[in-house]
Amino acid sequence: KAGVTQTPRYLIKTRGQQVTLSCSPISGHRSVSWYQQTPGQGLQFLFEYFSETQRNKGNFPGRFSGRQFSNSRSEMNVSTLELGDSALYLCASSLVLAGGRETQYFGPGTRLLVL
Amino acid sequence: SQQGEEDPQALSIQEGENATMNCSYKTSINNLQWYRQNSGRGLVHLILIRSNEREKHSGRLRVTLDTSKKSSSLLITASRAADTASYFCATAPRGSQGNLIFGKGTKLSVKP
Repeated sequence: KAGVTQTPRYLIKTRGQQVTLSCSPISGHRSVSWYQQTPGQGLQFLFEYFSETQRNKGNFPGRFSGRQFSNSRSEMNVSTLELGDSALYLCASSLVLAGGRETQYFGPGTRLLVL
Repeated sequence: SQQGEEDPQALSIQEGENATMNCSYKTSINNLQWYRQNSGRGLVHLILIRSNEREKHSGRLRVTLDTSKKSSSLLITASRAADTASYFCATAPRGSQGNLIFGKGTKLSVKP
């Protein structure tokens, strides 16, 4: 099976712009989670989608939003970019399993640089 | 906020030696997972241990979980230069969905 794919891999934007990142999960995986990784804050959870519904959200401002399509592909959007939004954005997909067996598989990430 | 805390923050060993990394967390969990990351790339899943398990093995990896102490350890035996990477523990909080809480990681350097 193909792994999680993310596009684009690299992106340079300027402050005030907006950006949309895309994630295609592993075939059959219906849960998609997004994370932000920075040197200062480490890996932080943004939000999780399952069957086109946001089930869980981390502690990020409303400028960060996402959505999931019927084919489980997901996008995240960041509006009014700030310098501090420069980060590696990681997407992960998983099967929804009972009994605490859910493994998240990560994509290669999108590295965003805000100038 | 970070739940997991890895210890040590950095570890440097020779090829062939064993590497042990520890992780502590704060709340009840469904499972704990260990990931590896090479130079700011994507995370590679190594092993998942459920809250009702105490030990798991996968190849050269051995993971233990002590829920009474809210801690886990990852042992890599007979390390290789290719094991050089950052290692993260991530907890799936009980009652939460699709949300992993990561520690800051241990940077492992294996010298040939």
